Amino acid sequence: GAVVSQHPSRVICKSGTSVKIECRSLDFQATTMFWYRQFPKQSLMLMATSNEGSKATYEQGVEKDKFLINHASLTLSTLTVTSAHPEDSSFYICSARGGRNEAFFGQGTRLTVV
Amino acid sequence: AQSVTQLGSHVSVSEGALVLLRCNYSSSVPPYLFWYVQYPNQGLQLLLKYTTGATLVKGINGFEAEFKKSETSFHLTKPSAHMSDAAEYFCAVRDTGGGNKLTFGTGTQLKVEL
Repeated sequence: GAVVSQHPSRVICKSGTSVKIECRSLDFQATTMFWYRQFPKQSLMLMATSNEGSKATYEQGVEKDKFLINHASLTLSTLTVTSAHPEDSSFYICSARGGRNEAFFGQGTRLTVV
Repeated sequence: AQSVTQLGSHVSVSEGALVLLRCNYSSSVPPYLFWYVQYPNQGLQLLLKYTTGATLVKGINGFEAEFKKSETSFHLTKPSAHMSDAAEYFCAVRDTGGGNKLTFGTGTQLKVEL
């Protein structure tokens, strides 16, 4: 299957700082990328959907100014958690979909805000 | 609107025993159905999917699932559990009407005992 690389896998940051998470499709062009958040022992909650070159579409209840998504190319999307607080601590997972219409997931990023 | 219900947040089986993880869905249009596996602190890996055609779908690692429209179910099975199957399993649905979003169930933690 296709490979989606997510970086970093773990990050610890101080409250009030911003953190950027990268999601790259390594061997295919991702026309659509998705960002999910997963709380401990819970399912994945879709945060936003982004298409290359256009603004992301955020799910209800997700603050777009807090979770900045950029999908600048067909192989890279970034999620920036701005002014992070402890309640933003979570597992963030990206997913990328290409021409085969199948979504492939990154390895996830464990964010801890202290 | 679509939704997914996974009965049983935890399932425990003995090594070599049958694995059965239940998934029921609701969708206003014919759905695409997926099963994903997640190991600790990792992203999701696709086990199998149903789009069209044969209702019995075979996936990786010996898993299979059967789409039963009359029961709105897509249960995941494996004839003989292995210790390496211990993980979290998610059922997901995506509508075929052109939507991109995957809706996940709450997940089932599979434990395999000696």
